[in-house]
Amino acid sequence: AQSVTQPDIHITVSEGASLELRCNYSYGATPYLFWYVQSPGQGLQLLLKYFSGDTLVQGIKGFEAEFKRSQSSFNLRKPSVHWSDAAEYFCAVASNYGGSQGNLIFGKGTKLSVKP
Amino acid sequence: NAGVTQTPKFQVLKTGQSMTLQCAQDMNHEYMSWYRQDPGMGLRLIHYSVGAGITDQGEVPNGYNVSRSTTEDFPLRLLSAAPSQTSVYFCASSHGDLYEQYFGPGTRLTVT
Repeated sequence: AQSVTQPDIHITVSEGASLELRCNYSYGATPYLFWYVQSPGQGLQLLLKYFSGDTLVQGIKGFEAEFKRSQSSFNLRKPSVHWSDAAEYFCAVASNYGGSQGNLIFGKGTKLSVKP
Repeated sequence: NAGVTQTPKFQVLKTGQSMTLQCAQDMNHEYMSWYRQDPGMGLRLIHYSVGAGITDQGEVPNGYNVSRSTTEDFPLRLLSAAPSQTSVYFCASSHGDLYEQYFGPGTRLTVT
């Protein structure tokens, strides 16, 4: 069965420090992977996605993610965190309910806190 | 464009009551979905639709009904509310398979 694991429930980093959020997936075929961000009380916004090609993908707000098939991972990175990055981050894989791949299976999320 | 809109933003129900959560999008998206978000659980798919007149179940469909009579609207009906349905509900839409999903702001539902 398809699944997404985000091992870290809560991470705290200092402003200006680098960030890496971990994501591991379980999927039999080629995965289509996403990272979403949710600010408090808000809906979800897409940060970046991987479908194929270059395994390092760039997203909005200075985020990037690297797809590593051998490790079944799709970790999210940012070289220098800003206080406004404090939010909850969700990794997701496109599912195949009913033969369609229009839906997402989400990880449980990683909450990011930023220290001044 | 307003994007994906959801009403109401907040709702409190008593056990056994029914209600409909509204979702509308103005992007002419074929694909629409409902998810629920519970603490520590991420988002889980309830129902989805690949076009007007076509709906299907997701991971957690029990206790919920949907219909899709128009491209724009995708209401979610709670038939007989239970405390286990206390959650935040998100509607999403996209052009289709593997396109970006756009999320609404959510409806926070409490069932007492």
